[in-house]
Amino acid sequence: AQSVTQPDIHITVSEGASLELRCNYSYGATPYLFWYVQSPGQGLQLLLKYFSGDTLVQGIKGFEAEFKRSQSSFNLRKPSVHWSDAAEYFCAVGEYGGATNKLIFGTGTLLAVQP
Amino acid sequence: ETGVTQSPTHLIKTRGQQVTLRCSSQSGHNTVSWYQQALGQGPQFIFQYYREEENGRGNFPPRFSGLQFPNYSSELNVNALELDDSALYLCASSWDTGELFFGEGSRLTVL
Repeated sequence: AQSVTQPDIHITVSEGASLELRCNYSYGATPYLFWYVQSPGQGLQLLLKYFSGDTLVQGIKGFEAEFKRSQSSFNLRKPSVHWSDAAEYFCAVGEYGGATNKLIFGTGTLLAVQP
Repeated sequence: ETGVTQSPTHLIKTRGQQVTLRCSSQSGHNTVSWYQQALGQGPQFIFQYYREEENGRGNFPPRFSGLQFPNYSSELNVNALELDDSALYLCASSWDTGELFFGEGSRLTVL
């Protein structure tokens, strides 16, 4: 069965420091991969997605992610974190079948930013 | 702002009651999905509706049911509420199998 693992439940970084959030997936075919961000009390906002092509994907808010098939990973990175980046981050794999598209999410990584 | 609106934003029910949650899709979208997000967990797929018919379902019991209306808005109904149904319920709309746009959710507390 398809699954997504986010090994880090909670990460704290200092403002201005670099960030990498880990994501590993299990999927039989070429995966469609996503990163979402959720601020407290809010819904999910799409940061970036990978369907095919260039394995380094640029997203909104200065985030990027790299798809590594050999490692079954899709880690999210940002070179310099801002206090407003504090939120929960979810990695997801898309499962498409017929007319159905659904997302399988990891359990999330909660990011805290220290001043 | 995604254009997906959900109501109510918060509600409290007691065990055994029934609840209806509502979702208004983004303009032009014909597909609605519902997800359950328990505290400290990632969202889990409940089901999806396409052109008023359920076309995909996750591992949820039949007491979770839904409707999609001709204007593509949707309802999620949960009967015989259990304590474990306490969660944030997220609605997402899309055009066919395109990108999902999520609402801000309805937080259900079951006492």
